[in-house]
Amino acid sequence: DADVTQTPRNRITKTGKRIMLECSQTKGHDRMYWYRQDPGLGLRLIYYSFDVKDINKGEISDGYSVSRQAQAKFSLSLESAIPNQTALYFCATSTGDNTEAFFGQGTRLTVV
Amino acid sequence: GQNIDQPTEMTATEGAIVQINCTYQTSGFNGLFWYQQHAGEAPTFLSYNVLDGLEEKGRFSSFLSRSKGYSYLLLKELQMKDSASYLCAVGLNTDKLIFGTGTRLQVFP
Repeated sequence: DADVTQTPRNRITKTGKRIMLECSQTKGHDRMYWYRQDPGLGLRLIYYSFDVKDINKGEISDGYSVSRQAQAKFSLSLESAIPNQTALYFCATSTGDNTEAFFGQGTRLTVV
Repeated sequence: GQNIDQPTEMTATEGAIVQINCTYQTSGFNGLFWYQQHAGEAPTFLSYNVLDGLEEKGRFSSFLSRSKGYSYLLLKELQMKDSASYLCAVGLNTDKLIFGTGTRLQVFP
């Protein structure tokens, strides 16, 4: 079983719909991150959380919101999806202090 | 702002050596990471440098010069399975990890 699990793995949704991407981890890490990856743009940080009561905006948070329901769960929501949010989304965890990050397998989201 | 530059694509031959460069301008630098990402898969950790110098790990080595804002990843004895994207990332003192756009390496027989 994967240490960092993302659901769904693939999703096609219509413009204007609300969608939630979920991430759960069994690594016991406090820090969790959401990135999106677009061709030619690399991985860009959307939101990050250092513990259940701590949520921080990343480079590109507009149009997204997050919820840290527990140490092990960090969800990303698109309140009203738009086509330029079509991307590959990754959740990641770490222990902090600049240790390595562990990534989930990604969610490929297409907004039509 | 934060800026990380690396070449978009590189090609090399099986058995050869390839060096992938990364330059960065960031505030609050707290270490440099290299990740490998095969197409459609999650990035996986390769190396971490926080002090100047060379870190060797099997066929892979990573170098850092903080004064020059420069790092490279050296891959020796290239294998076909090394065809992947290599992501340079800077760890900031805010515990954020900022990525470059990645270098796609193609290894040919």
